[in-house]
Amino acid sequence: NAGVTQTPKFQVLKTGQSMTLQCAQDMNHEYMSWYRQDPGMGLRLIHYSVGAGITDQGEVPNGYNVSRSTTEDFPLRLLSAAPSQTSVYFCASNDRGQSVHSLHFGNGTRLTVT
Amino acid sequence: GQSLEQPSEVTAVEGAIVQINCTYQTSGFYGLSWYQQHDGGAPTFLSYNALDGLEETGRFSSFLSRSDSYGYLLLQELQMKDSASYFCAVTSGNTPLVFGKGTRLSVIA
Repeated sequence: NAGVTQTPKFQVLKTGQSMTLQCAQDMNHEYMSWYRQDPGMGLRLIHYSVGAGITDQGEVPNGYNVSRSTTEDFPLRLLSAAPSQTSVYFCASNDRGQSVHSLHFGNGTRLTVT
Repeated sequence: GQSLEQPSEVTAVEGAIVQINCTYQTSGFYGLSWYQQHDGGAPTFLSYNALDGLEETGRFSSFLSRSDSYGYLLLQELQMKDSASYFCAVTSGNTPLVFGKGTRLSVIA
């Protein structure tokens, strides 16, 4: 199994540009989430989804949009990139029930906004 | 809201034992998880405690005291490859995990 796949691995954007970070999982997990990781800040939740067609905001949602049209895919859109969005972005998936605490992470997307 | 506190850095000698503490404040607490992340890598799940007490998985053990809102990760027989960041995280129902800021463990010879 591939697990959680994120693309691209690296990206450089200019301020004001938009882009979509892709995330796909092949484990049939109901839950998916996006975190950003900045030095000394741990992992902060951006948006999450508990199933296809359902999304909700996390701790730091401003400047980002998500959609969940299928169980497998959970793309993250940056509407108008800002230098403050320079970060490492991780997508994660997990199953409901007894395994809800066990997140499977993708390898991350390292984004730089200049 | 939810908050977790853990030390930012810990240094320990190869072959020794190290304990990484985590205190938390949250509503609707279900359990405490621990994740490991090597530099440049993705976090990986280590352990989970829903009930008070010690859970052992090889060289790693995790402890939880729900009454004290406290847990710790215990790493025994430290190896150089254990140098990484370790994150505690709380589970509250079906909402995503909330992570602490992480503890950077350096294992020295």
